[in-house]
Amino acid sequence: GNSVTQMEGPVTLSEEAFLTINCTYTATGYPSLFWYVQYPGEGLQLLLKATKADDKGSNKGFEATYRKETTSFHLEKGSVQVSDSAVYFCALSASTGFQKLVFGTGTRLLVSP
Amino acid sequence: DAGVIQSPRHEVTEMGQEVTLRCKPISGHNSLFWYRQTMMRGLELLIYFNNNVPIDDSGMPEDRFSAKMPNASFSTLKIQPSEPRDSAVYFCASSLAYSSGANVLTFGAGSRLTVL
Repeated sequence: GNSVTQMEGPVTLSEEAFLTINCTYTATGYPSLFWYVQYPGEGLQLLLKATKADDKGSNKGFEATYRKETTSFHLEKGSVQVSDSAVYFCALSASTGFQKLVFGTGTRLLVSP
Repeated sequence: DAGVIQSPRHEVTEMGQEVTLRCKPISGHNSLFWYRQTMMRGLELLIYFNNNVPIDDSGMPEDRFSAKMPNASFSTLKIQPSEPRDSAVYFCASSLAYSSGANVLTFGAGSRLTVL
């Protein structure tokens, strides 16, 4: 079946550091890929998405590139801020049939001043 | 749009009591999802509806859980009887599902359930 694997957290960084959160997936066909973010006490929000190979999703300084050859969708940001502290979820949606989202386990990011 | 609206935001109840969680999806969305989030198990999909019809309820933990969507603007998740292990944050999400392409979910703020 379809699945998503994320790196274990927490990831602890200082402000302005470079961020990478790894995500790999297993799926048949050509799924759509997503990153969602959950701030404390809130629901998940869509951060970015990519729907086909080599697409790059970007938002709020975050980027992720859909790499079919490595089945990966790693999240990156060049300079993190304290306000980026949150839990980040990688997810996929199957390419055929009814597309329910399959989420990874989430990676907590802690950014200190 | 006010987004996906869930109620109550917090619920504390005693074991054996009935719990009903409510969700109002975004107007115009045709799919609705119920998720449960715990530290131990992460984010679990319980059930989802398309055009008010349950499509997949394989994630519902057991018969104590039931979900309904009587119309396009309202859904409930009921637990009867509740148990301490049901303590979690329950999220409702809605989307406009297409036959192909990315299915973007909008989540509510969640209902935090504590069963004593």
